[in-house]
Amino acid sequence: KAGVTQTPRYLIKTRGQQVTLSCSPISGHRSVSWYQQTPGQGLQFLFEYFSETQRNKGNFPGRFSGRQFSNSRSEMNVSTLELGDSALYLCASSSMGGLAGQSSYNEQFFGPGTRLTVL
Amino acid sequence: QKEVEQDPGPLSVPEGAIVSLNCTYSNSAFQYFMWYRQYSRKGPELLMYTYSSGNKEDGRFTAQVDKSSKYISLFIRDSQPSDSATYLCAMSETSGTYKYIFGTGTRLKVLA
Repeated sequence: KAGVTQTPRYLIKTRGQQVTLSCSPISGHRSVSWYQQTPGQGLQFLFEYFSETQRNKGNFPGRFSGRQFSNSRSEMNVSTLELGDSALYLCASSSMGGLAGQSSYNEQFFGPGTRLTVL
Repeated sequence: QKEVEQDPGPLSVPEGAIVSLNCTYSNSAFQYFMWYRQYSRKGPELLMYTYSSGNKEDGRFTAQVDKSSKYISLFIRDSQPSDSATYLCAMSETSGTYKYIFGTGTRLKVLA
């Protein structure tokens, strides 16, 4: 079974531009989550989608948006890029949304990420 | 102050050593605790998942949660060079979401 794929793997943009990143989940998975990873802040949750609905959102400005399509593929968009948006953007997919509970876990599988550099 | 604190390392140990990785947190509502391993140029992969306090063992890995001290640990026994990676802790208040709070990660180097 193919893993989570993210495109592009590397991207260079300039301040003020916008960017769209794509994530294809594992076949059959309906949940996709997005994270931003930087050396200073670590991994930070952006948003979570399940069956095309956004279920949770992190504390990021409105410049960060996302969507999920009927085939579970997801995109995230960042408008008016700032230098501080330079980061590794990771998406993760799971068959069900969220943790299962006390004794079991709906594991989510991460993609390799898209490295975004803003100049 | 961050909600989850983790020593960034790097932590260098000889092969075969016992490794102790730790995170402290401030939010007493956290109930779900995870440890991830991330190799260079890869996404994180789940190592251990623990609900509430207690210990959990899986092969060479043991996760401990002490909610009274707001402290979690990951122990790696008989460490191998292949364990060299960044280890991330993550926490959540509730189930039903992947809205985790992550530590910044500890870089581990196991020397052959």
